Amino acid sequence: KNEVEQSPQNLTAQEGEFITINCSYSVGISALHWLQQHPGGGIVSLFMLSSGKKKHGRLIATINIQEKHSSLHITASHPRDSAVYICAASTGTASKLTFGTGTRLQVTL
Amino acid sequence: NAGVTQTPKFQVLKTGQSMTLQCAQDMNHEYMSWYRQDPGMGLRLIHYSVGAGITDQGEVPNGYNVSRSTTEDFPLRLLSAAPSQTSVYFCASSWSGGDGELFFGEGSRLTVL
Repeated sequence: KNEVEQSPQNLTAQEGEFITINCSYSVGISALHWLQQHPGGGIVSLFMLSSGKKKHGRLIATINIQEKHSSLHITASHPRDSAVYICAASTGTASKLTFGTGTRLQVTL
Repeated sequence: NAGVTQTPKFQVLKTGQSMTLQCAQDMNHEYMSWYRQDPGMGLRLIHYSVGAGITDQGEVPNGYNVSRSTTEDFPLRLLSAAPSQTSVYFCASSWSGGDGELFFGEGSRLTVL
């Protein structure tokens, strides 16, 4: 069982919808990352957080340390948000990262 | 700034051949790492380095070799390629391992026949 679990694995939404992607982890962490990967593309860091909430444009990331859970929200979704969203937990010595398997988001017109 | 530069983007090898994936960063990051990405699996750590002259194994190190002679460069060597090493490889850097913002290269798609 992966130490970092994401849900859902796949998500289809219509333009303008509010989207939530969830990430649960089973070990203590020092930081939680949200990453974005477009089809055939590289990986871009969206957020790094260790507590509370962060917002960047239409993207919001929250984390609940006690519940070992983080969420990524996209408000007013747009087709250009279509991508794979990956969460990664920083754990252990040398702050190694454990990655979830990703959530594939498709936003249609 | 160029960020993290990774080459080549595509490579096809025959079983038993060797090759080196290059990774360079211009942000003076101490921490650099190599991951492989396979369908249905999360990114997995191959090797990492916390500074020049210091490297360590990650989750899936077998068949790969690394060195870190400078802060900027962290090449990944495949010693004798096997079909199981067919994957997409990503190099990443940060100022502090997983506790710093991550910067990824564009990825290298490797096929071993």
